[in-house]
Amino acid sequence: AQRVTQPEKLLSVFKGAPVELKCNYSYSGSPELFWYVQYSRQRLQLLLRHISRESIKGFTADLNKGETSFHLKKPFAQEEDSAMYYCALKAHNAGNMLTFGGGTRLMVKP
Amino acid sequence: DSGVTQTPKHLITATGQRVTLRCSPRSGDLSVYWYQQSLDQGLQFLIQYYNGEERAKGNILERFSAQQFPDLHSELNLSSLELGDSALYFCASSVEAHSGNTIYFGEGSWLTVV
Repeated sequence: AQRVTQPEKLLSVFKGAPVELKCNYSYSGSPELFWYVQYSRQRLQLLLRHISRESIKGFTADLNKGETSFHLKKPFAQEEDSAMYYCALKAHNAGNMLTFGGGTRLMVKP
Repeated sequence: DSGVTQTPKHLITATGQRVTLRCSPRSGDLSVYWYQQSLDQGLQFLIQYYNGEERAKGNILERFSAQQFPDLHSELNLSSLELGDSALYFCASSVEAHSGNTIYFGEGSWLTVV
């Protein structure tokens, strides 16, 4: 079965500092990986998907199959980035369902 | 706005009661998913429907059931409620049921069991 691990429950940085939210996964096949963001217990919003290799709101994430990681990075954090971030995996043998990590709360201090 | 609509937004009910949460998917989406977000369990996949039929089942309790109607809206029924069922229940939808489709989430229904 697939599993997603986000080792940090809370990450606190100052505005302008670099941010890296860690995500590790275990899955025997070729996964699709996503980052979702949730502001103040609102709906989950798709931030990034690894297959599109795009940058949204300054965030990027690279899939590292050797390390089974999909860390989310931003060079300069902004206060409005404060939110819950969830890494999610979609296994090819599981239809379209997502397996989520436990989430990391990012707090960006002024 | 993701286009996925959930009602009610908030619900408070007593233990032992039964509630129904409703979800309207995005226009054109055939697949509906239900997720539970609680403080201790995190985000858990409950169940998926595609065009009216159950497609995948996750950690859904036997006290819970769901269905998707011909107009593609879905309902999640929670019965014999316990305090631990208090959570944010998300509905999500996608065009198809297979991998490759983006999943869009609704705003969730807050359920508090007292």
